[in-house]
This record gives sequence, structure tokens and C-alpha cells, in this order.
Amino acid sequence: GAVVSQHPSRVICKSGTSVKIECRSLDFQATTMFWYRQFPKQSLMLMATSNEGSKATYEQGVEKDKFLINHASLTLSTLTVTSAHPEDSSFYICSASAPRGMNTEAFFGQGTRLTVV
Amino acid sequence: DAKTTQPPSMDCAEGRAANLPCNHSTISGNEYVYWYRQIHSQGPQYIIHGLKNNETNEMASLIITEDRKSSTLILPHATLRDTAVYYCIVLNSGSARQLTFGSGTQLTVLP
Repeated sequence: GAVVSQHPSRVICKSGTSVKIECRSLDFQATTMFWYRQFPKQSLMLMATSNEGSKATYEQGVEKDKFLINHASLTLSTLTVTSAHPEDSSFYICSASAPRGMNTEAFFGQGTRLTVV
Repeated sequence: DAKTTQPPSMDCAEGRAANLPCNHSTISGNEYVYWYRQIHSQGPQYIIHGLKNNETNEMASLIITEDRKSSTLILPHATLRDTAVYYCIVLNSGSARQLTFGSGTQLTVLP
């Protein structure tokens, strides 16, 4: 199946700093990518939809100025957690969607464990 | 997308078949049933999906009832590496692949 690579897999940062997470589709072009967040013992929650060449769409309750999303190419979306605080510590996961007419499964990255100290 | 209901947890002996149920009584005619699983601290992994016919691939089989109000994911010979949270998701075939995850079923395969 298609491969989505997420980097880094694990990051520890100090409170108040910013962290960038990359999501790449390695063998297909992804016009749409999705960012999820998962707190311990909870399910994945969709944060935002990243559209190549246009602004991201954020779910209710997700601050767009805090979670900056850039989808500048068909193979790369980035999520930047700005001014991170301990409550932002979580498991962040991206997925990529192929254009309609191709495979319809969503392909997920391996996730990024963010710890803010 | 229709809501799904799954048991919170199940155990299965290694080498035996694992049968994971899912209720989706409000499913509509053009909605597919998808199954994903998430091994601890990893991203979700696609397993299988179907519309109304039973499906089988190298990972699992999907049995969908005739009225489509429920389905069962079958792992024919469970191994310890199949221990994971299994998510049943109903999805409109035309959606852009954003997924709404419920709480899933924690399957523990016991040695």
C-alpha cells in the first residue's frame, strides 16, 4: 500500500517553544492530508484538514493560530505547534488521501509523540 | 457518517480466530464499512472494507449481515502481534477520507 512518513517520531521540547512535524506521502500525491491528535487512553480526534495550495480547515475547538498547517506541495504537509505548553503533549498523527478515482483507503503516518516540559 | 458501536475489549487465545463485532444500525445505502487497527504508539493501519458483500484479504475477513446493520471482522489465526485497538468506521464512499474514530475494541491476544 501507499506509504506516509511522519517525522520526527518523538520530540521533547521546552514550554514556550515551537515544534514542527512533517508528513510526507512517499509514493503518491496527496491533495488532502489530515491531522489528528490522540491523548492517552483516548481515540484519535481530527484536528484539521490540510489542502494543497489553500488554507487548512480546522475542527471546532482547535486554535488555528496555535496549530499552523502548511501544505505547500502534493507530498508534504507540516504541522507547527506554536508556543507549546504541557497540555499540548500528545500523539499527533497525519493521514493522506489520494485523489478520487484511486485507492480509497486513508494512509497514516507512524505518529509523533510530543512531550512539552 | 453513521455511528458505530463496538465492545470495549476482547481477549483471544493465540492461534484461534478472533471475531470482532460492530453495530452500525443507521448505515445508509452508499456507506461502506471500514476496519482499521492501531497497535500501541503507532498510526492506524487499514485492514479491510466492504459495502454489502463479504470480503477477504491477506489480513482478515469481513462479514456484513444482509441488512447491513452489523458486521464482524475475523482474524482467522490471531497472533500476539494482532494485539491492538480495532476500529470499525462507516464512511460515505464519496468522502475525502477523513475518519471519525470511535473508542474501538481493545483486542488482547493471549499466549
